[in-house]
Amino acid sequence: GAGVSQTPSNKVTEKGKYVELRCDPISGHTALYWYRQSLGQGPEFLIYFQGTGAADDSGLPNDRFFAVRPEGSVSTLKIQRTERGDSAVYLCASSSRGGAPGDGYTFGSGTRLTVV
Amino acid sequence: GEDVEQSLFLSVREGDSSVINCTYTDSSSTYLYWYKQEPGAGLQLLTYIFSNMDMKQDQRLTVLLNKKDKHLSLRIADTQTGDSAIYFCAEITPDSSYKLIFGSGTRLLVRP
Repeated sequence: GAGVSQTPSNKVTEKGKYVELRCDPISGHTALYWYRQSLGQGPEFLIYFQGTGAADDSGLPNDRFFAVRPEGSVSTLKIQRTERGDSAVYLCASSSRGGAPGDGYTFGSGTRLTVV
Repeated sequence: GEDVEQSLFLSVREGDSSVINCTYTDSSSTYLYWYKQEPGAGLQLLTYIFSNMDMKQDQRLTVLLNKKDKHLSLRIADTQTGDSAIYFCAEITPDSSYKLIFGSGTRLLVRP
């Protein structure tokens, strides 16, 4: 596609429920990143995929968070037993190369997750 | 450790210049970035600078880098109301993940 697409754009869920957030990167981009942006803060790194594998998951806050990218394109971020503190905007970004420093990344518009 | 700090808020009059400042801690960062975020939108890359440069100019944008003080600034000339947004400074980690470490953002308000 023309840009990075994230669905849903908004998600409201009850505490304790399971949620899945989807990211559709730019076609052909091998690098995919998930970030989390809490209110009034800058984005914080969660996980980085190069192709199908998670090359760096050091930002995942705990084992309730998990992400997959089975075919090297679409990625799903999965959160189990959601807590109110998980409420944030979850941003996905993709890049044609690993990091592509000179290009930065292309970010999606994010999924706003609200846990009530 | 890695940490990026920015002032929270800046208000300028339309037509004036805006200067947004940022300090970072990781001296091994190779690239530093400025991103813009408008309400409800994703992050838009504005410009970046490589660590061996002192200055980069791109139309109305000027980036200054002081490596000794680990200080980065973004100057927007002839600021317009459409420039009102949150601006994030970010450094890239020197490992193979190339993940970005963001500041908390500076909210720029342009008054008519």
